[in-house]
Amino acid sequence: GAGVSQSPRYKVAKRGQDVALRCDPISGHVSLFWYQQALGQGPEFLTYFQNEAQLDKSGLPSDRFFAERPEGSVSTLKIQRTQQEDSAVYLCASSKGADLYNEQFFGPGTRLTVL
Amino acid sequence: AQKITQTQPGMFVQEKEAVTLDCTYDTSDPSYGLFWYKQPSSGEMIFLIYQGSYDQQNATEGRYSLNFQKARKSANLVISASQLGDSAMYFCAMREGPPPARGGYNKLIFGAGTRLAVHP
Repeated sequence: GAGVSQSPRYKVAKRGQDVALRCDPISGHVSLFWYQQALGQGPEFLTYFQNEAQLDKSGLPSDRFFAERPEGSVSTLKIQRTQQEDSAVYLCASSKGADLYNEQFFGPGTRLTVL
Repeated sequence: AQKITQTQPGMFVQEKEAVTLDCTYDTSDPSYGLFWYKQPSSGEMIFLIYQGSYDQQNATEGRYSLNFQKARKSANLVISASQLGDSAMYFCAMREGPPPARGGYNKLIFGAGTRLAVHP
C-alpha cells in the first residue's frame, strides 16, 4: 500500500505483559515519529527517528518504553511490563525528511488496552 | 502552561455554511510551524493545512484556510461550505524550531481537539 501501516490494529494485554507494536512507513521516508493518544486527548510525541538514528526520545514516559528502527524503515515500539495507564492509541507517522511542505503522514494507529 | 489551546470542545454547523475552529498557541521560539489535522472516527490523522511563522500570507488549501494572527498567537481554521464528511475531530498542532528543510523536524505538540458535527 501507499500509506503508513501499523500492526496489530488492536492489542489487548494483561498487566505486566510485554507488547510490540509495528510501523511500516511510506517507502523512502526518512523521518519516523511515534505518538501516544489517550482517549479524548490529542496525540503526544514519544520519539523521533531519522533513518535508523533515534534523535529524540524525550517523550517516552518511562524506561519501560523502547523504540527501534534498525534498518531505517520498519520501526517497532516495545512496551515492557505494561500498566493500565499505557492504554492508548499509538500512532506512527512518517515524512520525507527535509521537505519544505512538512506533511507528516499518519498510520491508522494501534489501540492498546491493558487489563 | 498549555502550548496549544483549543477552547471549543464541540462545534455544530449547518451543511454548506462556513465554520471557524479556534486555536491559540504559546511559544517564545521565533521559528515555528502550525498545522491542522482532521481525525475521523476511523482514527487516522489527515493533514489539512500548514502555516509557517515567517509566512507572509495566510495559508489556503481548497475549502480550508488558516486565519493566522501572529501578534495574538492565534491560528484559527476556517472551513468554507461545510460538507457532511467534514464531521470529525480537528486538532491544531505546533512545531517549535525551524522546519525540516532548515534542519529541524516536525515534533508536533497537539491541542485537545474540537469535535465538529455538520448537520444536513
